[in-house]
Parts: sequence; C-alpha cells; structure tokens
Amino acid sequence: GNSVTQMEGPVTLSEEAFLTINCTYTATGYPSLFWYVQYPGEGLQLLLKATKADDKGSNKGFEATYRKETTSFHLEKGSVQVSDSAVYFCALILFNNAGNMLTFGGGTRLMVKP
Amino acid sequence: EAGVAQSPRYKIIEKRQSVAFWCNPISGHATLYWYQQILGQGPKLLIQFQNNGVVDDSQLPKDRFSAERLKGVDSTLKIQPAKLEDSAVYLCASSFVTSEAFFGQGTRLTVV
Repeated sequence: GNSVTQMEGPVTLSEEAFLTINCTYTATGYPSLFWYVQYPGEGLQLLLKATKADDKGSNKGFEATYRKETTSFHLEKGSVQVSDSAVYFCALILFNNAGNMLTFGGGTRLMVKP
Repeated sequence: EAGVAQSPRYKIIEKRQSVAFWCNPISGHATLYWYQQILGQGPKLLIQFQNNGVVDDSQLPKDRFSAERLKGVDSTLKIQPAKLEDSAVYLCASSFVTSEAFFGQGTRLTVV
C-alpha cells in the first residue's frame, strides 16, 4: 500500500535558523506530493506541491524537491520565523479511475522561539 | 472562491448520544473526504466519495459511523452512539478529480 513517513517532532528552533523536515514515501505508481501546514485550531492548508520527479514546490520561503530516486520530499526553509510554528504534514496523492488516494504522514510539530 | 464549509465548529456531547457534522465542499469538486484527527496525530481517512458514490470506507467504524453525500454535493457524517474515543477533530476536504485536497476548518468533537 501507500505510506508517508515523517521525522518525529517536536522540532524546536530559534528564529532565523535553518529548517529541514524529512519526508519519505512509498507508493504503487507515480504520486503527486504535498506539504500541508496546520496552525493551532485550524484545518490543513496546502503549503506547496510537486507533481512529478525533480519538480520543486515553493511558497512563503519554504521549498521541497520531488526526489524519485530517494522517494523523498524534504521540506526546507532558510530562515524560520516565530509565525512558522505549526504542525507540518507531508502527503501524497495517486490519481486513478477508482478515485484519488490521499495519504498523510503523522505530522511534525515545529516550534520556533524568538 | 468560497472554501470548504463545515459546521458546527465545536460540539460537546455525552457518551452514547448521537451527533452529526455537515460539510459543503467547493463548488464543482467531485471528490469529498472525511478525516478523523485525534490530538497529536495525522488525519485518518474515514470515508471518501466520488460524486455521490463511496470510493473508500474501509476505516469507517460502520457499527456507529455513517455518512452520506446527497446529490453529490453536501455531505453529513453521523456518529451514533458516541464513545469517549471518538473525541477528535473531524475534517472535511474536497478536490477536483486530479488536484490537491482543500480542507475545511474542522469540527472539534468532545465526548464526555
């Protein structure tokens, strides 16, 4: 079956530090990959996406590259802010005639200290 | 463009009572998902609709949970009777057939 594995949190960083959250996947097919962010008390918001190998998704200073050879989609940001404190979910989706198959990782909590 | 609407935002009920959640997806989105998110965990798919047909309900506890999507638009998720372990946030999401999923703000259920 399909699965997504993320590094466990919490990840605690000081403001302006470099962020990496690791994500690897297994899938039967060629998925699209996503990072979602969840702020306290809110639903999931799409942060960035990549639909094929070697694509780089980017948004709000975050970026992730679809690496088919290592089945990875690691999230990075060069300089985090306190406002980036949230839970980050890596996800994949496979499109087929039977319906989309959307699978999430367990989430990684990021805490940024001033 | 309006997002995915869910109601209510919060609900507190006693165990063995029943509860229903409502979701209105983004207009034109054929796929609708219901997820259960227990505190500190990732979302767990309960049921997925394609238009008004069920695509996947393998993780739906069918002895107490039910869901329907009338006319392939709005959807309701019901729990009857509720258990303490049903306390969670229930997330609804929708998507086009070949696009990412867009989420509502969720309904936080507390069973006491």
